Amino acid sequence: GENVEQHPSTLSVQEGDSAVIKCTYSDSASNYFPWYKQELGKRPQLIIDIRSNVGEKKDQRIAVTLNKTAKHFSLHITETQPEDSAVYFCAASPILNQAGTALIFGKGTTLSVSS
Amino acid sequence: DTEVTQTPKHLVMGMTNKKSLKCEQHMGHRAMYWYKQKAKKPPELMFVYSYEKLSINESVPSRFSPECPNSSLLNLHLHALQPEDSALYLCASSQAPPGGSSGNTIYFGEGSWLTVV
Repeated sequence: GENVEQHPSTLSVQEGDSAVIKCTYSDSASNYFPWYKQELGKRPQLIIDIRSNVGEKKDQRIAVTLNKTAKHFSLHITETQPEDSAVYFCAASPILNQAGTALIFGKGTTLSVSS
Repeated sequence: DTEVTQTPKHLVMGMTNKKSLKCEQHMGHRAMYWYKQKAKKPPELMFVYSYEKLSINESVPSRFSPECPNSSLLNLHLHALQPEDSALYLCASSQAPPGGSSGNTIYFGEGSWLTVV
């Protein structure tokens, strides 16, 4: 089945710096790669996603890149702010059976932004 | 409106109790999911319903029993749980059953915090 590896597990940056989180996946049939932000005690919130026919997508300070050949994708956050502190999960959507697919998550990255 | 509503928000139950978690969405989504999340861990897939039919069961113990009464509702019936089942249970939905050439955005509810004593 699909396996999603995420690195690093923790990341500490100074306010204003950039942060990069990387994920690799194993199933070449995966075609959808979202990123979720989860603050303590809250639900995962989708922050950006990318589909397999696109190599890069940007939304203000957040960008995601996808390399299908190498089977890895990355989250880039520029000009980090303290409110960016949270756990970030990458995910991949493989084809599990004939009826459908479901997200498989990486283990998460705890991002701490200090002011 | 991208709202998935879960009730109750908090539930404490004994190991001999029977309880249910409920989930509702009115976005016309045809796929609904149950995920389990332990502290400091990623969400783990439990069940997927596509067009109100169970399409994925990730080897979940039978003490967890899902039910999809209609396209807007998803329940998770709980019976004879163990303390290690204490976790955040997340319901989610997506517009169409996945499996096509494009992915579908999955929206999570706020979750139900379950404590088994």
